[in-house]
Amino acid sequence: EVQLVESGGGLVQPGRSLRLSCAASGFTFDDYAMHWVRQAPGKGLEWVSGISWNSGSIGYADSVKGRFTISRDNAKNSLYLQMNSLRAEDTALYYCVKRGFITGLDYWGQGTLVTVSS
Amino acid sequence: QSVLTQPPSASGTPGQRVTISCSGSSSNIGSNYVYWYQQLPGTAPKLLIYRNNQRPSGVPDRFSGSKSGTSASLAISGLRSEDEADYYCAAWDDSLRGVFGGGTKLTVL
Repeated sequence: EVQLVESGGGLVQPGRSLRLSCAASGFTFDDYAMHWVRQAPGKGLEWVSGISWNSGSIGYADSVKGRFTISRDNAKNSLYLQMNSLRAEDTALYYCVKRGFITGLDYWGQGTLVTVSS
Repeated sequence: QSVLTQPPSASGTPGQRVTISCSGSSSNIGSNYVYWYQQLPGTAPKLLIYRNNQRPSGVPDRFSGSKSGTSASLAISGLRSEDEADYYCAAWDDSLRGVFGGGTKLTVL
């Protein structure tokens, strides 16, 4: 059974940093691209970033480019999101998502909540 | 402002057929596959449709997807109370970034 468990969320002041982690299990982690998708309270889904299986291809939404860095450690079956210079508008539930070969974003974690506030 | 455009709400009575539209552009829906997700209250999104019209195993055939040009739609037939949820369309754009619709809240009357 595919499991994605996010951690690292919390309350942080504007301008500070936070690192999210996602522990994956139940599938061959280093075969698949992984993504982060966020959802602000009461709002819709927003794609944040994605990374290929070997970290050779990485992409970011314009809203986070230059502030967030996605990475992965295939030996640890883990995905990360380093978030710097956080803003109030980054407040959201952050989901770790597996991308299937043909099924798109097919498995989602339960999310970790990031709140940016002074 | 979401890249893909969906109606904010839809409704139907049990047993009815409802459709939810999703409009994009040539750089996303027009040249890439469309995906649909269902998000029940308080839960993570669940994949409903992939590659325009394919259902993952376990998704009832009451759910169907279609795409034409730069638009797509999700149809739900035989509407049931448990279908009450938020529905999102999604696609990749030509820069390989993900784009989502703003979501449609489906109410079963």
